[in-house]
Amino acid sequence: DVKVTQSSRYLVKRTGEKVFLECVQDMDHENMFWYRQDPGLGLRLIYFSYDVKMKEKGDIPEGYSVSREKKERFSLILESASTNQTSMYLCASSLGFNQPQHFGDGTRLSIL
Amino acid sequence: DAKTTQPTSMDCAEGRAANLPCNHSTISGNEYVYWYRQIHSQGPQYIIHGLKNNETNEMASLIITEDRKSSTLILPHATLRDTAVYYCIVRVANNNAGNMLTFGGGTRLMVKP
Repeated sequence: DVKVTQSSRYLVKRTGEKVFLECVQDMDHENMFWYRQDPGLGLRLIYFSYDVKMKEKGDIPEGYSVSREKKERFSLILESASTNQTSMYLCASSLGFNQPQHFGDGTRLSIL
Repeated sequence: DAKTTQPTSMDCAEGRAANLPCNHSTISGNEYVYWYRQIHSQGPQYIIHGLKNNETNEMASLIITEDRKSSTLILPHATLRDTAVYYCIVRVANNNAGNMLTFGGGTRLMVKP
């Protein structure tokens, strides 16, 4: 089975902090994705990556950056956390663009 | 991607089949139907997908109508652990524009003892 592991289930940070969310997949998938999920807004794509060191912006990249130095790891960075970034963050991976995405259990991030 | 319409909620008795409908009347010829579910406090879980033929795997069956304007996800013997929000998504499988998944409201399935 595909395993997508997010480093933290719950995280509390302060406004202005630099925050790192880590995601690791163990199935040698090419594509990795970062979403945030908010009540009433569904799932929104922040960034995705289709190869090591490659990244593309999704719908809501502002205030975020990403890093993919190794194929199995995709990091989401909040450069200067703000309260409107309080959310559930979900990482996903897929073998190819025509393959289903497999998700981690999410990180519930609170910015105080 | 085509818009989908699902009932807001459904109940199902434990051990019975759960049939979850989805309408996608504006689906295009190259769009697939995907089903995911999300159990409370967990990430979404892929269930099944199909183009026009019916599909079955170890989790569920997917029945797509001949005109492809609607589909039904069938959980043959629902258990309490199947209680979740079920999302029907229609998208082009080879969309290079981010491959984003757009989850609508979904159907909240409650399996009752």
